Amino acid sequence: DAKTTQPPSMDCAEGRAANLPCNHSTISGNEYVYWYRQIHSQGPQYIIHGLKNNETNEMASLIITEDRKSSTLILPHATLRDTAVYYCIVHGSSNTGKLIFGQGTTLQVKP
Amino acid sequence: DAGITQSPRHKVTETGTPVTLRCHQTENHRYMYWYRQDPGHGLRLIHYSYGVKDTDKGEVSDGYSVSRSKTEDFLLTLESATSSQTSVYFCAIRDPTSGGQETQYFGPGTRLLVL
Repeated sequence: DAKTTQPPSMDCAEGRAANLPCNHSTISGNEYVYWYRQIHSQGPQYIIHGLKNNETNEMASLIITEDRKSSTLILPHATLRDTAVYYCIVHGSSNTGKLIFGQGTTLQVKP
Repeated sequence: DAGITQSPRHKVTETGTPVTLRCHQTENHRYMYWYRQDPGHGLRLIHYSYGVKDTDKGEVSDGYSVSRSKTEDFLLTLESATSSQTSVYFCAIRDPTSGGQETQYFGPGTRLLVL
């Protein structure tokens, strides 16, 4: 699986959009971009995933660049409850489903 | 909610004692995983299972064994606990029908302290 690079921390004002970047320059054609988050003391939570098209669900939007070497997770109206560690994971389909978690980005949403 | 429970949620034990952690799922998923999480290391895969009696090692499997005698339960055993195994342990299931092919859903975690 391709390696990802994320900033270690970011701040965002409550009510504003939070844009979390992820670089995955070695991504291969069959690898998806997955985003998870982990709120303090809880298990990681799946947010969204995509291959090459932009994706949106009730939690967030995922914007993937045309060359697929980077992506951005967008929380459109961040709340204090969105304070968490956000993990960007690149993973291809496999029989094992093993995910490799990096250090992620700690997002602090401030009032 | 993927119907995943872990037990116990908290445990304190002494070095050298055996410890078994249980992960239980209610939705018949084939794949189950055990991770540990330590400060500065993120989540690391210990073992995983791809069916009843079918298991394989992850990246940090030394000192751990697993068993899966029925679909709903995946047990993680520390045969002789050491202080380095103090950690938070998360169980996960993989549900290819929800989200994406590789989407995993995690349990609430077990905090283990080995004295």
